[in-house]
Amino acid sequence: DGGITQSPKYLFRKEGQNVTLSCEQNLNHDAMYWYRQDPGQGLRLIYYSQIVNDFQKGDIAEGYSVSREKKESFPLTVTSAQKNPTAFYLCASSLGTGIRQPQHFGDGTRLSIL
Amino acid sequence: AQSVTQPDIHITVSEGASLELRCNYSYGATPYLFWYVQSPGQGLQLLLKYFSGDTLVQGIKGFEAEFKRSQSSFNLRKPSVHWSDAAEYFCAVGGTSGTYKYIFGTGTRLKVLA
Repeated sequence: DGGITQSPKYLFRKEGQNVTLSCEQNLNHDAMYWYRQDPGQGLRLIYYSQIVNDFQKGDIAEGYSVSREKKESFPLTVTSAQKNPTAFYLCASSLGTGIRQPQHFGDGTRLSIL
Repeated sequence: AQSVTQPDIHITVSEGASLELRCNYSYGATPYLFWYVQSPGQGLQLLLKYFSGDTLVQGIKGFEAEFKRSQSSFNLRKPSVHWSDAAEYFCAVGGTSGTYKYIFGTGTRLKVLA
């Protein structure tokens, strides 16, 4: 079955450490997204990518970085510059041929500070 | 600026009762509207979508939503709630500002009493 796989499900970060969250999709979608979810704040867009080797900052990109070297993969790195990384991170994808396409979501990664 | 408002943070209903979750949007053109549901620790699942045409749209799990342009609303309804409907519900506007960006509301958490 096609879908989006996020790993790991739980991740712990030490102070000063960079960590990378994985997101892989086999839906053949062009567009991919990373969201951060905090209680009571809904989903906030971190980065998004419409095609391979191209990505744009979202509303809260500071302290995060991404790459899009393959259509299937859109990893997110939470750098040490992100001072409050504890949150639930969601990856999503959608067909790139039209903005009417709904987003499909992975099951998320919960990141905590040690 | 485009925005999505879900006025109710929490809603509690008894099992078997009817449900209406409110969503108001601000958008200059005809919006692409979505409702998603999120169970605890999971990703978001699409319930239904509206692009054009019939203003009453049917979704999965017995949900429906009605687009009212005059009220800038897209409220989600279900005639009889089941205990398994307890979750968080998000309204979203898609394709804003000519990009693939989506704007999500802050969510409404539904509790169902047995």
